[in-house]
Amino acid sequence: EVQLLESGGGLVQPGGSLRLSCAASGFTFTTYAMNWVRQAPGKGLEWVSGISGSGASTYYADSVKGRFTISRDNSKNTLYLQMNSLITEDTALYYCAKGRQEWEVNNCFDPWGQGTLVTVSS
Amino acid sequence: DIVMTQSPDSLSVSLGERATINCKSSQSVLYSSNNKNYLAWYQQKPGQPPKLLIYWASTRESGVPDRFSGSGSGTDFTLTISSLQAEDVAVYYCQQYYSTPPITFGPGTKVDVK
Repeated sequence: EVQLLESGGGLVQPGGSLRLSCAASGFTFTTYAMNWVRQAPGKGLEWVSGISGSGASTYYADSVKGRFTISRDNSKNTLYLQMNSLITEDTALYYCAKGRQEWEVNNCFDPWGQGTLVTVSS
Repeated sequence: DIVMTQSPDSLSVSLGERATINCKSSQSVLYSSNNKNYLAWYQQKPGQPPKLLIYWASTRESGVPDRFSGSGSGTDFTLTISSLQAEDVAVYYCQQYYSTPPITFGPGTKVDVK
């Protein structure tokens, strides 16, 4: 069974940093692109960032480009999101999501983790 | 960026009746080389992560009840729930994965029981 378990969320002041992790199991991690998607309280879904299976290619939404860095450690089956210069608008539940198709970056997402909550507030 | 819109914002449907949700993309998500529409539908129940229902616009994910169906091509798509069940109360999102980055979602349609 595929499992994705996010961690690392919490309360942080504006301008601060946080690193999210997503521990994956139940599939061959290296062959799937992975993504971060966030959902602000009571709002819709916003794709944040994606990374190819090898980690060689990374992609970002304009809203986080230059502030967030996605990475992966394929030896540990773990996905990361380093978030710097956080602003209040970054407050959201952050989901880790696996690409449905092997090798493809242009992908829908299946499954999603349960999410980790990031709150940016002074 | 491809902008996704959905209609209606919300709908109330009686149990056993049909629910229809529309999704429109600002440009075609049909990839001519493989004739596939890069369009997915998700269901999100309260307190849960989204769940993939439909991909390639009309292919049901394994385990998804056959009362859920997707149709459309190019820029106009529809998710139909043929006979609404109580457990189908949720918010439904469409997503395009034709153009990345960014992958974009529609704003969601809330479905509840009349």
